Amino acid sequence: DTGVSQNPRHKITKRGQNVTFRCDPISEHNRLYWYRQTLGQGPEFLTYFQNEAQLEKSRLLSDRFSAERPKGSFSTLEIQRTEQGDSAMYLCASSLPGRQETQYFGPGTRLLVL
Amino acid sequence: DAKTTQPNSMESNEEEPVHLPCNHSTISGTDYIHWYRQLPSQGPEYVIHGLTSNVNNRMASLAIAEDRKSSTLILHRATLRDAAVYYCILRDVDQAGTALIFGKGTTLSVSS
Repeated sequence: DTGVSQNPRHKITKRGQNVTFRCDPISEHNRLYWYRQTLGQGPEFLTYFQNEAQLEKSRLLSDRFSAERPKGSFSTLEIQRTEQGDSAMYLCASSLPGRQETQYFGPGTRLLVL
Repeated sequence: DAKTTQPNSMESNEEEPVHLPCNHSTISGTDYIHWYRQLPSQGPEYVIHGLTSNVNNRMASLAIAEDRKSSTLILHRATLRDAAVYYCILRDVDQAGTALIFGKGTTLSVSS
């Protein structure tokens, strides 16, 4: 069963460094979402792709954040000049289009910025 | 998406039924009620969803009030593996393709 996979699972970095996370969605899922989750809170939406097109961005996604989904397959989320406030779990989800769409989440990448 | 209200936490004993409530008094006619849960150190996983009628699947049952202003997720026999945060989420069927809006959910503890 090939679910959504995310790499790396854990990342520790120093403030000011750039980091990149990868998400591989379920094959044939053309929708892909990124969420961020801080301790004790539910996940918060960051951005959404349909195929290779980035259709929606949250205002949480500052100009230090960028996401891509080349060729509509895997996606990357890059954070430039990391800050301690970026420490969180970054979750990826994928889905097929439909009125009763179910999102399938990966295990997340836990980022710690020192 | 309309707002939902859930208790912060609930406790259960193993092999007993668990009823997790959710209030959504401002639900619209095109909102589906979705439930996801998040086990420790994992991403959320889909549990069940419904519109008006009660729904059953292998994981749980969803009981929806007649006026749709509240719903209850029912775990028929709780196991230790059901200890998780449970999220009740409304999704407008006419806005499919937008993000899930999570609240803080209900943290379910299960004791043996």
